[in-house]
Amino acid sequence: DIQMTQSPSSLSASVGDRVTITCRASQSISSYLNWYQQKPGKAPKLLIYAASSLQSGVPSRFSGSGSGTDFTLTISSLQPEDFATYYCQQSYSSLRTFGQGTKLEIK
Amino acid sequence: EVQLVESGGGLVQPGGSLRLSCAASGFIFSSYWMGWVRQAPGKGLEWVANIQQGGTEKFHVDSVKGRFTISRDNAKNSLYLQMNSLRAEDTAVYYCVRERYSGNYYFDSWGQGTLVTVSS
Repeated sequence: DIQMTQSPSSLSASVGDRVTITCRASQSISSYLNWYQQKPGKAPKLLIYAASSLQSGVPSRFSGSGSGTDFTLTISSLQPEDFATYYCQQSYSSLRTFGQGTKLEIK
Repeated sequence: EVQLVESGGGLVQPGGSLRLSCAASGFIFSSYWMGWVRQAPGKGLEWVANIQQGGTEKFHVDSVKGRFTISRDNAKNSLYLQMNSLRAEDTAVYYCVRERYSGNYYFDSWGQGTLVTVSS
């Protein structure tokens, strides 16, 4: 199975900060990488698909990049509603896998 | 509007069985891969299983193989997860998900989740 590793596991930041979360795959997955945001008690929400495509309705401060094994999610200017947990997920393999998550907290 | 509504969760004893259902509406159900994702209390997301549009191709995570089976009924716009030989570590919220394809497969729609608790 393809293992997905996110870093950091948790992150403290302030409103207005630029934040980057990294996701690494255990083998090349081309651009078959998606990002989700989850708030407590809620279902996850798709942010980015195919490594860099912004899902409809998602603010443009979110962006994704990378290919092969290394990927990043960037939030250009943190807003109060962005404090949540973020997950990467690969769909290169029919056996989908998620990263362990990155919890973004208010500093 | 796409809607996915899960049902069938609850409390079950170790070794027991449960069948989860997901009622889909607002889209052409038979045109999409569908799947299940779970989340144990306080833990991250874990993909459980997915199934191709016609139901002939399906995949399960290793930890549930031989115990869980995903299926679908396109005439009823419904997705199912039959869970047998349940263990404490299967305790989680189970989400029904739609997989959309646009150069890549991704989970673009999620249900609200149904809680399965395995405990004596």
